[in-house]
Amino acid sequence: EAGVAQSPRYKIIEKRQSVAFWCNPISGHATLYWYQQILGQGPKLLIQFQNNGVVDDSQLPKDRFSAERLKGVDSTLKIQPAKLEDSAVYLCASSKGANVNEKLFFGSGTQLSVL
Amino acid sequence: KNQVEQSPQSLIILEGKNCTLQCNYTVSPFSNLRWYKQDTGRGPVSLTIMTFSENTKSNGRYTATLDADTKQSSLHITASQLSDSASYICVVRPPRWLIFGAGTRLAVHP
Repeated sequence: EAGVAQSPRYKIIEKRQSVAFWCNPISGHATLYWYQQILGQGPKLLIQFQNNGVVDDSQLPKDRFSAERLKGVDSTLKIQPAKLEDSAVYLCASSKGANVNEKLFFGSGTQLSVL
Repeated sequence: KNQVEQSPQSLIILEGKNCTLQCNYTVSPFSNLRWYKQDTGRGPVSLTIMTFSENTKSNGRYTATLDADTKQSSLHITASQLSDSASYICVVRPPRWLIFGAGTRLAVHP
């Protein structure tokens, strides 16, 4: 079974530039998550989708971050404009559903460095 | 405030030795607790899940315990292998979103 695919693997940009990350979840997984993991910290949820609808985006800095999952399958996360403090690993995860006991499957992440 | 704290921050052990990682949480109410293993440059992978009523859960050489009264969990690794070198993250599930600890960085040396 193919896992959660993310690209790019690494990205280096200058502050105030824009960047986009892509995620393709495990086939058939209805729930998709984007997490931000700053070095030395645990992942923090940015946004959760159920199919193509947003379930929770309360921790997403909406002035600069946006995400979409238009067809309910793959998803993109965008940062515009980037700040130095956005340097982190952006993890995408998926699960079959949103049940509290569902296991999340994570991608390898996109490591973003903002200079 | 819902928090998950892990100790130690980092740990070095010799191959073949056992170790125990700790997780204390203040999350309430609480649905379940998972331990994840995160290899360098990879996403976290679930090792165990325990609900409120479970005290112990094993997955091969990994054994997790949960004391819901004291809000403490531990992950015991038996007969460590070099491949156990990774970060181990405790994740607690309240009704809304998962709360991740900062992890314990384990290094197993030959």
